[in-house]
Amino acid sequence: KNQVEQSPQSLIILEGKNCTLQCNYTVSPFSNLRWYKQDTGRGPVSLTIMTFSENTKSNGRYTATLDADTKQSSLHITASQLSDSASYICVVSPNYNTDKLIFGTGTRLQVFP
Amino acid sequence: GAGVSQSPSNKVTEKGKDVELRCDPISGHTALYWYRQSLGQGLEFLIYFQGNSAPDKSGLPSDRFSAERTGGSVSTLTIQRTQQEDSAVYLCASSSSRGHGAEAFFGQGTRLTVV
Repeated sequence: KNQVEQSPQSLIILEGKNCTLQCNYTVSPFSNLRWYKQDTGRGPVSLTIMTFSENTKSNGRYTATLDADTKQSSLHITASQLSDSASYICVVSPNYNTDKLIFGTGTRLQVFP
Repeated sequence: GAGVSQSPSNKVTEKGKDVELRCDPISGHTALYWYRQSLGQGLEFLIYFQGNSAPDKSGLPSDRFSAERTGGSVSTLTIQRTQQEDSAVYLCASSSSRGHGAEAFFGQGTRLTVV
């Protein structure tokens, strides 16, 4: 049973368009939720980190939201660029071990010109 | 170095051979993680070290896999009698603190190919 589910599995959009990626988790209680970007052949790089008390966190064109009641998070990308093509991974840390990282399987985003 | 360093970056080995993968975490980081990523798949947790505590080995897929962390710094992941299904990218990450919001920094990974 996967404790962190992401959707869609893959997404194709045109450059300049917006998109939203979804993350549903069952980890409870949880301490923090992170979104990572993983370029092909590279290690994941952190985009945002939100604690259970935060609702939204922005990093440039990336905005993450968190609803701890429904256990859902979303990552919204505004005015997409070709360089946004990557896998986006939702990661949750449980409260009983805040250093443990539970990864979702990711959403593969492709931005075409 | 400024980041997490992994070596080798690529490793091709024959089925049945043993391999060792190395991870140099960011200096001072107490937590160290090993993950693997098969082609087109998400990250699969393998093992986690935190300071002097006993490691969390719950993700190791079989007893052919082992890892150690010497002196609280460098870690080595060893795969014995490699199988073709062990082919994957092995990623190491480290983080600096307990508590909320500790960021994990990843290395570039070691691409292991078992032929």
